Amino acid sequence: AQKVTQAQTEISVVEKEDVTLDCVYETRDTTYYLFWYKQPPSGELVFLIRRNSFDEQNEISGRYSWNFQKSTSSFNFTITASQVVDSAVYFCALTSGTYKYIFGTGTRLKVLA
Amino acid sequence: SQTIHQWPATLVQPVGSPLSLECTVEGTSNPNLYWYRQAAGRGLQLLFYSVGIGQISSEVPQNLSASRPQDRQFILSSKKLLLSDSGFYLCAWSRLADTDTQYFGPGTRLTVL
Repeated sequence: AQKVTQAQTEISVVEKEDVTLDCVYETRDTTYYLFWYKQPPSGELVFLIRRNSFDEQNEISGRYSWNFQKSTSSFNFTITASQVVDSAVYFCALTSGTYKYIFGTGTRLKVLA
Repeated sequence: SQTIHQWPATLVQPVGSPLSLECTVEGTSNPNLYWYRQAAGRGLQLLFYSVGIGQISSEVPQNLSASRPQDRQFILSSKKLLLSDSGFYLCAWSRLADTDTQYFGPGTRLTVL
């Protein structure tokens, strides 16, 4: 069975601090895809990144970076120099096909001014 | 570009009343469509998905149903709402491949009293 674990329920940081959100996944499939979504207070899920299992290269997009490590089944998300606008719930998700995403329970990030 | 709409944005309904939530997608053809429910403080649960007009797959047995009367329209319904149906309902779309990125609508917040 597939599973996504986001062990951090809530994280609070002060603005300009760096913060890492953890995501650990379980799957027996060799081909799979991992995602991160942001859910601001408005509720809409905003797509951030998609990564397939054959591409372990880390990615950086502005203040956001992602570290994918198959050896530890982790796909962690780091925000550098956090801002108040980063406050949201962040979800990690996994799919191997069959149209079904397996979502983690989310990590609520609070960035304090 | 593609956009996804949901309405209503919020809804308060008495127990036992019917429900109809609508989702429409613009700017794409033959999308896969999905209905998710998010209970308060929890992750997302896939309820239904559709790969074409009239084709509905149910993930979780319940008193909800879904229909796809047109290519870019997806409707979530219930004949009699239960208290446990309260939650945040999100519609999503993706392109044809089952591992394609899902893009979410703004959601409908349903409160059953």
